[in-house]
Amino acid sequence: DQQVKQNSPSLSVQEGRISILNCDYTNSMFDYFLWYKKYPAEGPTFLISISSIKDKNEDGRFTVFLNKSAKHLSLHIVPSQPGDSAVYFCAASSSGSARQLTFGSGTQLTVLP
Amino acid sequence: ETGVTQTPRHLVMGMTNKKSLKCEQHLGHNAMYWYKQSAKKPLELMFVYNFKEQTENNSVPSRFSPECPNSSHLFLHLHTLQPEDSALYLCASSQEVGLAITSGTDTQYFGPGTRLTVL
Repeated sequence: DQQVKQNSPSLSVQEGRISILNCDYTNSMFDYFLWYKKYPAEGPTFLISISSIKDKNEDGRFTVFLNKSAKHLSLHIVPSQPGDSAVYFCAASSSGSARQLTFGSGTQLTVLP
Repeated sequence: ETGVTQTPRHLVMGMTNKKSLKCEQHLGHNAMYWYKQSAKKPLELMFVYNFKEQTENNSVPSRFSPECPNSSHLFLHLHTLQPEDSALYLCASSQEVGLAITSGTDTQYFGPGTRLTVL
């Protein structure tokens, strides 16, 4: 059973608008969460992370929100740009698993010009 | 060259062949990882090496054999694979396995992957 779930396989957004990518997890031991972005023919690249001691982390156009009670995190991209079109993976880790990453299956974001 | 590199980028092999995937990192990291990504599935961790020592084998079949001669190089030796082993194989590196989250240095950096097709 998947411990990290990205229930939307794809998302289309107009350029300039907000993109919201969602991720749910089931393991309450997870205490560190990351988002990776993947372009075709490239490996995933680290985007932004958040520790469970926070509920928000912002880096430029990217903000990650964490709702521990709901076991839910989201990535907001504002404003969305065509170059943001990629597959976005959510990942989680815990100290109990030596910080091994558990990944979601990814969401394909398409930003339309 | 910088970052994490993988060769070959594409590989087609028969079920009786023996081949090897190579990964090299130029980031000065001490931990290296092999992941498998099948279509529409999450990345699955296969092996973890920390300071050249294997620390994790996630129930991977013995037809996959990893080798880590030093902290910069990681190999995945393949033999008698099955068609269902066709996937994208990704290598990653990080500073060190299990660093505290507050250090911010346990982020994994990925190579571009090897697209493997087993006929």
